[in-house]
Amino acid sequence: DTAVSQTPKYLVTQMGNDKSIKCEQNLGHDTMYWYKQDSKKFLKIMFSYNNKELIINETVPNRFSPKSPDKAHLNLHINSLELGDSAVYFCASSHLDRFYGYTFGSGTRLTVV
Amino acid sequence: ELKVEQNPLFLSMQEGKNYTIYCNYSTTSDRLYWYRQDPGKSLESLFVLLSNGAVKQEGRLMASLDTKARLSTLHITAAVHDLSATYFCAGESGSARQLTFGSGTQLTVLP
Repeated sequence: DTAVSQTPKYLVTQMGNDKSIKCEQNLGHDTMYWYKQDSKKFLKIMFSYNNKELIINETVPNRFSPKSPDKAHLNLHINSLELGDSAVYFCASSHLDRFYGYTFGSGTRLTVV
Repeated sequence: ELKVEQNPLFLSMQEGKNYTIYCNYSTTSDRLYWYRQDPGKSLESLFVLLSNGAVKQEGRLMASLDTKARLSTLHITAAVHDLSATYFCAGESGSARQLTFGSGTQLTVLP
């Protein structure tokens, strides 16, 4: 199946831990994104990344870092997790030069206790 | 910086009725998107509006775009229960075409 897949789907962890969320797309897209959806369902861009540049939303704490081993993967690493990091994180992908829209992953629900 | 305002935040409507969700945006947006999200699920693309005056329809949903007024609308015709979900509009901006989302409209269609 062609898609954007995220793992894990659910992640429960303690404050202070470091965790990663993985994202893979097999759509041949050249740009990938991370969005955060908070408890009020508000969606906000965190990062966008392609081969040329990483754009970081200035409101994202530097405890969050995207890591891209190749064009098909954009993982999200979070250091020193805080209660306020609890949210649903969505990965998405698109192709900048060709308009195919955006494809979103199924989301990762992160709960920090 | 692109800002997107969506209203209403909550909408309860009777089956068979019509209603409109409004989406205003602050600066030029390359494209305007509408998404649907069911509880605990991902975002499902409904419409992409590319230019002024664009109108797209799918079933009981119709989306339109007025770039001069910086306004997009999602019109619901003869609502049915299956349309109950949260609807988001989003504008696109920046070199990486990041999406800026509205706050969402939680639609509940009552029998």
